[in-house]
Amino acid sequence: QQPVQSPQAVILREGEDAVINCSSSKALYSVHWYRQKHGEAPVFLMILLKGGEQKGHEKISASFNEKKQQSSLYLTASQLSYSGTYFCGTGEGGKLIFGQGTELSVKP
Amino acid sequence: DVKVTQSSRYLVKRTGEKVFLECVQDMDHENMFWYRQDPGLGLRLIYFSYDVKMKEKGDIPEGYSVSREKKERFSLILESASTNQTSMYLCASMPGGEETQYFGPGTRLLVL
Repeated sequence: QQPVQSPQAVILREGEDAVINCSSSKALYSVHWYRQKHGEAPVFLMILLKGGEQKGHEKISASFNEKKQQSSLYLTASQLSYSGTYFCGTGEGGKLIFGQGTELSVKP
Repeated sequence: DVKVTQSSRYLVKRTGEKVFLECVQDMDHENMFWYRQDPGLGLRLIYFSYDVKMKEKGDIPEGYSVSREKKERFSLILESASTNQTSMYLCASMPGGEETQYFGPGTRLLVL
């Protein structure tokens, strides 16, 4: 079953912050975050492998709450280059099950 | 740099045609995947392979088959294309023992 992402879409002004959530009805062992810019391939951002783990990547960070079966991606002081669709993927038996994606648009 | 290439960026086919989508990776990765991407549905796994000649069904295998005769190449086959298979198809590869997937640029398939 696919993890559920929220919100489905978000529009920001440059410099604003955003949070994208990823929730699963099943126990989570790993959560992966990818970003896909329009017309391009999805690109790996980060992986979280254990409960409570937080990771950072420039001004993009993520947390993993095993108990809540949820991960959140934090984008701070957004830049135009952050625009794209963000996917979370949950690890399961050597494969990833992706959420439906969150479309992020950053406007000047 | 890992490179995953797909044979076509755009493809137009007729209903009932047999369609081959090719994916090649140059990093000796054990695992390869085929996804389709549709608006509002995200990336859905069609088939994956963890070794040459091995294949596993993903979440939506109906209407598709795959072939992996060589480690670097993973083909997706639509035996008889239908209009509901119009979609973006993405291939990915992943090294054994890791969990990061590397995606190709995608093939946008239109079935008329």
